Amino acid sequence: DAGVIQSPRHEVTEMGQEVTLRCKPISGHDYLFWYRQTMMRGLELLIYFNNNVPIDDSGMPEDRFSAKMPNASFSTLKIQPSEPRDSAVYFCASSFLGRLSGGYTFGSGTRLTVV
Amino acid sequence: SQQGEEDPQALSIQEGENATMNCSYKTSINNLQWYRQNSGRGLVHLILIRSNEREKHSGRLRVTLDTSKKSSSLLITASRAADTASYFCATVVDSSYKLIFGSGTRLLVRP
Repeated sequence: DAGVIQSPRHEVTEMGQEVTLRCKPISGHDYLFWYRQTMMRGLELLIYFNNNVPIDDSGMPEDRFSAKMPNASFSTLKIQPSEPRDSAVYFCASSFLGRLSGGYTFGSGTRLTVV
Repeated sequence: SQQGEEDPQALSIQEGENATMNCSYKTSINNLQWYRQNSGRGLVHLILIRSNEREKHSGRLRVTLDTSKKSSSLLITASRAADTASYFCATVVDSSYKLIFGSGTRLLVRP
């Protein structure tokens, strides 16, 4: 299995532009999570899905952030418009919660820089 | 928001020594997990301990959990330079699948 795949690995964009981050979870996993990591705030859970349905989006910082999961193999996190304070590493993770012993599998992350 | 706090924030040891990292959390949990993150990389799951377990082993890793004190510890025995990384505890809160991370411990193992 190729693991959780995120794209792009790096993204540099100008303030005000729309940014879309992509994630392909592990096949068969029924939970998908989006996290953001910064030095100041650490790892923050933004939103998570179960069977493609958003369950908890209380961590989404503002209306500028939105996430979708149109099918079991793809999710996007969109920021529109982007701001410099959105600069962070964004991680996607997936899990099959029927067997919690395996933990959550993380992608390599997307490093976003908004200038 | 972060659920847990880790102690110490940074730890530097000599190769071959043991490394102990502690984690405290605030609310009732379903399970507690430890992850490793190498610089510039994603997080790797190390071990999971359920709320009804007190100790768990995996290779050179030993995890303990004290739910009465809301704390856990991760022991890495016979450390290697390759163990240099940040280590995070994370908790799954009762009745949800939200994995909430602590602030992490940066471990440096000197060759």
